[in-house]
Amino acid sequence: QVRLVQSGAEVTKPGASVKVSCKTSGYTFSAYYIHWVRQAPGQGPEWLGWISPDNGGTKYAQKIQGRFIMTTDTSIDSAYMELRSLTSDDTAVYYCARDNGLLLPTWWGQGTVVTVSS
Amino acid sequence: EIVLTQSPGTLSLSPGERATLSCRASQSVSSDSLAWYQQRPGQAPRLLIYGASSRATGIPDRFDGSGSGTDFTLTIRRLEPEDSAVYYCHQYGGSPFAFGPGTRVEIK
Repeated sequence: QVRLVQSGAEVTKPGASVKVSCKTSGYTFSAYYIHWVRQAPGQGPEWLGWISPDNGGTKYAQKIQGRFIMTTDTSIDSAYMELRSLTSDDTAVYYCARDNGLLLPTWWGQGTVVTVSS
Repeated sequence: EIVLTQSPGTLSLSPGERATLSCRASQSVSSDSLAWYQQRPGQAPRLLIYGASSRATGIPDRFDGSGSGTDFTLTIRRLEPEDSAVYYCHQYGGSPFAFGPGTRVEIK
């Protein structure tokens, strides 16, 4: 079955960077986009972008463009998102999710809590 | 950029009743690319409906999606205690994709 398993919680300071990982299994990794979505405490989800593992193509939400970087490693069926220049506003649960072939996040990881605090 | 609004903010209903959730888009959603997710506390969102009206795999037929253009509805028939959750609509027809603010469904 399709599984996405994310890395553990991160606590970091303003201005720092963190890298969240998403290990997939149960399907052909290169065949489906990976989306990244975050959810701040008490808020609704916020779509951040997607990456194509097949060719590395990306689409970012304008809000995080240039500050968050999505990558994949097809040798180990994993996706990553590096979060740079973090502020307290970036405190959230970060999810990776596999696409269904129609740009829709369908299978989700368990989420990674990222806390930015001085 | 498409903005989604959802109403009501909270629904409090008894088991067996029907819940009607609304999602309105600021402009027409391309190809009815509108989905609904259920999120229980501490869990990731779970896909219920895609393409405005198609149920995702394993979703009971108590959940129905309808609508087109800018107005969409999620109906949950015969509410069960496990339906207590926040429900989000999501448009994926045009970038940037967007989620609505959610409707909380409470089961009395």
